[in-house]
Amino acid sequence: EADIYQTPRYLVIGTGKKITLECSQTMGHDKMYWYQQDPGMELHLIHYSYGVNSTEKGDLSSESTVSRIRTEHFPLTLESARPSHTSQYLCASSEYWMNTEAFFGQGTRLTVV
Amino acid sequence: DAKTTQPNSMESNEEEPVHLPCNHSTISGTDYIHWYRQLPSQGPEYVIHGLTSNVNNRMASLAIAEDRKSSTLILHRATLRDAAVYYCILRDVDSGNTPLVFGKGTRLSVIA
Repeated sequence: EADIYQTPRYLVIGTGKKITLECSQTMGHDKMYWYQQDPGMELHLIHYSYGVNSTEKGDLSSESTVSRIRTEHFPLTLESARPSHTSQYLCASSEYWMNTEAFFGQGTRLTVV
Repeated sequence: DAKTTQPNSMESNEEEPVHLPCNHSTISGTDYIHWYRQLPSQGPEYVIHGLTSNVNNRMASLAIAEDRKSSTLILHRATLRDAAVYYCILRDVDSGNTPLVFGKGTRLSVIA
């Protein structure tokens, strides 16, 4: 069983609100990732981190921001939610070495109305 | 990472073997072949990975062509719970800290 948790699982929020999607893992993994996925579509990498105080932007441009103050925690924040942000957000983590498996959370399905 | 090509969709009958192909003609010598799957309404999960030799685990088998330009994920007896999108991904262990990048994958339907 993967020890990576995302909260909330579902969120419906009004336009203009600030939101933070939480992601925590208890495996001590250095690498963490955020992906965005629309229904029936591909996963797109939006942010990743190699460790504490490291954050990088992914292939898909996103208005969200991330922080990595603790190894186990990698929250994603939207300062002002818009309907275009409606999507599923998936968090993942893996050990430092390239040839290890990544573990994914259950995802947060965000709807902005 | 080098690119992979997979069929958009495949169909299988329950309790029959399924062979999911993946082409990776530009694979390099340091590329590992990874497979993940994504069940409906869930995050992806790791299935198997290999370099040159065929690999087996409790979920599936991975058959790698001798020239490594293609591979096949084998589910020995498909169940309804195996209906998912299956992703074939190459990871170059020498390319530095590149994240996992997903393509479109193959959507597997299992018919009862």
